[in-house]
Amino acid sequence: RKEVEQDPGPFNVPEGATVAFNCTYSNSASQSFFWYRQDCRKEPKLLMSVYSSGNEDGRFTAQLNRASQYISLLIRDSKLSDSATYLCVVNLKGGGTSYGKLTFGQGTILTVHP
Amino acid sequence: DAEITQSPRHKITETGRQVTLACHQTWNHNNMFWYRQDLGHGLRLIHYSYGVQDTNKGEVSDGYSVSRSNTEDLPLTLESAASSQTSVYFCASSKDRNYGYTFGSGTRLTVV
Repeated sequence: RKEVEQDPGPFNVPEGATVAFNCTYSNSASQSFFWYRQDCRKEPKLLMSVYSSGNEDGRFTAQLNRASQYISLLIRDSKLSDSATYLCVVNLKGGGTSYGKLTFGQGTILTVHP
Repeated sequence: DAEITQSPRHKITETGRQVTLACHQTWNHNNMFWYRQDLGHGLRLIHYSYGVQDTNKGEVSDGYSVSRSNTEDLPLTLESAASSQTSVYFCASSKDRNYGYTFGSGTRLTVV
């Protein structure tokens, strides 16, 4: 089983739609969680961190369910510029060299069309 | 402004040659990482470092090496390039182990 699993999509949605991405992680010791965005042929960029209580940044809402080892990202009022690959990322807890390494999901492709 | 830069942006090399990819950051971050990204595999960790003189192997370290002689640089060396190492390579750094990474813009390497 992969450490971080995402539905690869692609998701094709019209402008203005609401779209949700899900992600599961296998290691219960995971401590920090993030969503990254990657545009075609570009580097991944941090979109937002995911906090236990859930958090929102404009049109983006992230949720974490530690009991189910599940992370979600909700995008409201989709824009053409939201078209990208969204990467779910987890950081293991613990001492030594296992700590601080981010593990990336393979990404979910989103295309927003007019 | 502080930044992380990779060079070269594109590189074509021949099988068997030694290749070094540069990564330089000006944030004074202790933590630096090298990933490769391939279709169907996503981002995979090659090597990483938590400080000067510290280096660790990631999940796909065979055929690669790194050294950390100062805080700013973590060069990645392919000892004897193979066609299977054709990929896009990303370097990243982080302020703290609880933080996300900031990535460089990548090096597209082709081994022929």
